[in-house]
Amino acid sequence: AQSVSQHNHHVILSEAASLELGCNYSYGGTVNLFWYVQYPGQHLQLLLKYFSGDPLVKGIKGFEAEFIKSKFSFNLRKPSVQWSDTAEYFCAVNAVATGFQKLVFGTGTRLLVSP
Amino acid sequence: EADIYQTPRYLVIGTGKKITLECSQTMGHDKMYWYQQDPGMELHLIHYSYGVNSTEKGDLSSESTVSRIRTEHFPLTLESARPSHTSQYLCASSESVPNTGELFFGEGSRLTVL
Repeated sequence: AQSVSQHNHHVILSEAASLELGCNYSYGGTVNLFWYVQYPGQHLQLLLKYFSGDPLVKGIKGFEAEFIKSKFSFNLRKPSVQWSDTAEYFCAVNAVATGFQKLVFGTGTRLLVSP
Repeated sequence: EADIYQTPRYLVIGTGKKITLECSQTMGHDKMYWYQQDPGMELHLIHYSYGVNSTEKGDLSSESTVSRIRTEHFPLTLESARPSHTSQYLCASSESVPNTGELFFGEGSRLTVL
């Protein structure tokens, strides 16, 4: 079965600090990868996604993620965080070969950015 | 803006009550899902649907039931709520074509059973 690991459960940063959130998954086949974000009081929304092609993908609000197939990783990065980035971030994987698409989510990382 | 709507957003009820959480989407998506989300835990899939008259159990066992009589509507029902059902329930939908797995979420229904 697929699983997703997010190693950082809570991250606290000051504004302008750089961010990297780790995500590793377990599945040997072709995957689609996602980062979702949930701002306080809001619904989960897509931050960025990887389906194929360039392993470095760019999303909204200056976020990017790099797919490293050999490491089964899809880490999220942002060079300089803002207070408005305070949110919970979820990594998710979809195993393409399994037919019906069911996203498997990690436990989430709660990011607090202090002004 | 999300085109998937959940009601109620918050519900506090007593043990033994029957409740239905509503979910509607206006995107014409065939696939719909219910996830359960608890603080500090991953989202767990409890139900999904390929389309009208199709419902399946997800990876996490749940005492809830779902129905899919119309494409846009995917309600979740608990016949007799218990405190162990206290959680946040997230509804989502996705397109069949392209079949990428990208989900669109509603704002969630936070259920508290006393």
